[in-house]
Amino acid sequence: AQSVTQLGSHVSVSEGALVLLRCNYSSSVPPYLFWYVQYPNQGLQLLLKYTSAATLVKGINGFEAEFKKSETSFHLTKPSAHMSDAAEYFCAVSVSSGGYQKVTFGIGTKLQVIP
Amino acid sequence: DAGVTQSPTHLIKTRGQQVTLRCSPKSGHDTVSWYQQALGQGPQFIFQYYEEEERQRGNFPDRFSGHQFPNYSSELNVNALLLGDSALYLCASRRRTGTSGNTIYFGEGSWLTVV
Repeated sequence: AQSVTQLGSHVSVSEGALVLLRCNYSSSVPPYLFWYVQYPNQGLQLLLKYTSAATLVKGINGFEAEFKKSETSFHLTKPSAHMSDAAEYFCAVSVSSGGYQKVTFGIGTKLQVIP
Repeated sequence: DAGVTQSPTHLIKTRGQQVTLRCSPKSGHDTVSWYQQALGQGPQFIFQYYEEEERQRGNFPDRFSGHQFPNYSSELNVNALLLGDSALYLCASRRRTGTSGNTIYFGEGSWLTVV
């Protein structure tokens, strides 16, 4: 069975500062990893995904994440936070089970950006 | 190209009642999954439909049932509603064929409040 751990349910950064949201996963088979963002009262929007092509994945809005197998991590970063980045971020792991994908989400990290 | 659409967006039900939520997948997608997202939590997998059959199921009671139609749209039914069923219900779709890392796209969700 797979699982996702997001360290820090709330993260606060100053505008212009580095954003680092942590995600560790557990999977018995090579996983596919995703980061989604959820703005208030909205659904989930894909930021980026790792599908084994490249360990450093670039996504939308200046976000990127690096897959580190040895650390079972897929941390999300952005060099400079913007006020519009304030949202909740979910890390998710997807593995194939019986020919179907099963996706497991972390509990989410709320990002607050301080002016 | 319309994305995943869900209806209704908001609804209020009384304990013991039944509810039906609807979802139209993104064009070209044939696999639909449903998730429950309680306040302050990450999405929890309910079940997945492909070719009009339930293919995978999460840890949810039989009160939660679903259906997929020939046009790939789907319904989620919840019987004997409990207060704890109050949540955002998210529909997600993907294309099953092709790479296993196919992106899952989410709708905006249906907010269910049980009183």
